[in-house]
Amino acid sequence: GDSVTQMEGPVTLSEEAFLTINCTYTATGYPSLFWYVQYPGEGLQLLLKATKADDKGSNKGFEATYRKETTSFHLEKGSVQVSDSAVYFCALILNSGYSTLTFGKGTMLLVSP
Amino acid sequence: GAVVSQHPSWVICKSGTSVKIECRSLDFQATTMFWYRQFPKQSLMLMATSNEGSKATYEQGVEKDKFLINHASLTLSTLTVTSAHPEDSSFYICSARDRLAGTDTQYFGPGTRLTVL
Repeated sequence: GDSVTQMEGPVTLSEEAFLTINCTYTATGYPSLFWYVQYPGEGLQLLLKATKADDKGSNKGFEATYRKETTSFHLEKGSVQVSDSAVYFCALILNSGYSTLTFGKGTMLLVSP
Repeated sequence: GAVVSQHPSWVICKSGTSVKIECRSLDFQATTMFWYRQFPKQSLMLMATSNEGSKATYEQGVEKDKFLINHASLTLSTLTVTSAHPEDSSFYICSARDRLAGTDTQYFGPGTRLTVL
């Protein structure tokens, strides 16, 4: 079946450091890929998405490129802030027919001043 | 942006009692809502999909008589955990699909922490 694998956390960084959170997937069809973010005490928010190979999603300084050849969708940010501390979920949904989101386990990011 | 609320945000109950959790889309109409369960350090596990005015579709392994889902209007879905036991303790999250925004756009609620004593 479809699955998403994320690096385990927590990821601990100092402010202004470079961030990478790895995400790889397996899918039986052609998925759209997503990164969701969950701030403490809040619901999941869509951070960015990409719907086909080589697409780059970007938002709030975060970027991720849909790499079909490596089945990856790694999340990157050049300079993290304390306010980026949250749990990040990678997810996929198949584009064909009725489908539901499949999530990774989530990666906690802790950014210190 | 679109907002989904859940009520209550946390609940503690005795074993054997039933608990109802509400999920509301506040500023959009949701023909489809989803219920997830999240264990500590685990991913979100889809429990069921509910469509307004019809019966919910449950994922394999989820007891439909245990987790009753009702989606009576375009802005409200409820999850009732019947005869709750300690193993039902978990974090329950709902999401709603905006019927005007496309099939891959879901908005998530803040979650409900259920503790069964």
